[in-house]
Amino acid sequence: AQSVTQLGSHVSVSEGALVLLRCNYSSSVPPYLFWYVQYPNQGLQLLLKYTTGATLVKGINGFEAEFKKSETSFHLTKPSAHMSDAAEYFCAVSDRETSYDKVIFGPGTSLSVIP
Amino acid sequence: DAGVIQSPRHEVTEMGQEVTLRCKPISGHDYLFWYRQTMMRGLELLIYFNNNVPIDDSGMPEDRFSAKMPNASFSTLKIQPSEPRDSAVYFCASSFGYNEQFFGPGTRLTVL
Repeated sequence: AQSVTQLGSHVSVSEGALVLLRCNYSSSVPPYLFWYVQYPNQGLQLLLKYTTGATLVKGINGFEAEFKKSETSFHLTKPSAHMSDAAEYFCAVSDRETSYDKVIFGPGTSLSVIP
Repeated sequence: DAGVIQSPRHEVTEMGQEVTLRCKPISGHDYLFWYRQTMMRGLELLIYFNNNVPIDDSGMPEDRFSAKMPNASFSTLKIQPSEPRDSAVYFCASSFGYNEQFFGPGTRLTVL
C-alpha cells in the first residue's frame, strides 16, 4: 500500500532562513503529489501540487517543491522563512496504485519560525 | 464561492449521545471526503463519496459511525452512541475529479 513519510515532526527555523520540509513516498507508480498547509484552528489548504510535466513546482507564498522520482521524494522549500509561515505542513500522495481519487496524507510537520 | 461549509463548528456532548456533523461541499464538486484529526493519530480518512455514492468506508472506525450523502450538496457524519475517544476535529473536504481537495473549517467534537 502507498505510504508517505515526513522526516521531522517538528522543524524550527529562524526568520529569513531557508525552510526545508522533507517528504518521501512509497510507490511503484509515480503518484500525484501535494503539499497542504494548516494554520491553527483552520482546515487544510493547498500549497502546491505535482501531476505531470515539470518536476519543479511553484506554489503560493513563495514555496516550491521538486519531484525526484529516483529518490521518491517531494521536498518542500522556501528560500526565506517568514513569521506567517508557522503552521502544520502535510505532504500527500494520490494512491495511483489502486485509485487516483484516494489521497494519503503524511503525519505532518509543524514549522516554527523564530524571530 | 463560500467554500466547504461545516456545521456545527463546535460540539460538546455527553457519552452515549448521538452526534450529527454536517457538510455542504463546493457546488460542482463530485468528490466528498470525511476526515478525523487527532494529536495521536493525525489526519485519518474515514470515508469518501463520488457522485453521492460511498466509494471507500474502510476508515470508519466502527459501526457506531455512519455517513450519508443524499444529494450533491449535503452530507452527514453520524456517531451513535458517542464515546470520549471520538473527541477530535472532523473535516469535510470536496474536490472535482482528481484535483486538489478543498477543506472545510472543521467541527471540533468533545465527548464528555
